[in-house]
Amino acid sequence: GQNIDQPTEMTATEGAIVQINCTYQTSGFNGLFWYQQHAGEAPTFLSYNVLDGLEEKGRFSSFLSRSKGYSYLLLKELQMKDSASYLCAVRRGASKIIFGSGTRLSIRP
Amino acid sequence: DSGVTQTPKHLITATGQRVTLRCSPRSGDLSVYWYQQSLDQGLQFLIQYYNGEERAKGNILERFSAQQFPDLHSELNLSSLELGDSALYFCASSPEGQGNQPQHFGDGTRLSIL
Repeated sequence: GQNIDQPTEMTATEGAIVQINCTYQTSGFNGLFWYQQHAGEAPTFLSYNVLDGLEEKGRFSSFLSRSKGYSYLLLKELQMKDSASYLCAVRRGASKIIFGSGTRLSIRP
Repeated sequence: DSGVTQTPKHLITATGQRVTLRCSPRSGDLSVYWYQQSLDQGLQFLIQYYNGEERAKGNILERFSAQQFPDLHSELNLSSLELGDSALYFCASSPEGQGNQPQHFGDGTRLSIL
């Protein structure tokens, strides 16, 4: 079977840094995505990791450890518009994508 | 704008009815994915088509079916609707059938069952 765990909710302060963790257990692991989803809107792609290590893209970075079944999304210099849900999604095998339930991030001034 | 078009944006119907949701992928994308998102729930993968053929199947109910046409647009058919089918249904597309390409999502169809 498969299992993806993320915290349900997190709160952070504008201008600060926040790390959203994702742990997974799945057979046939073949990569991990992070998506951002504002309430009532479509998810938008943030990052994709298939090898261990850190991928940096502007204010957002994503890390993967395949041996530990662990990933995190790091958001720096938080802005109010970063208030959204962040979805961890695991690629299983060639094409199947399994989404976690998402972490709702609230940014306070 | 992701380039993925879904129609209709909203749909209100009654239990027992049947509806069809439509999706046009981004230009050049061959793969189409369907997802269901209930209130405060994660995205549940339903089914994937690649160039007209079913590629992967998720937790899709037998009352639901989908197809992808030669022009690559896709339709999701939901029948014998139940109250629990009320949800946001997303379509996403990617260039190829392999899952290492990011998916681009449409704005979704909000289905409400009364």
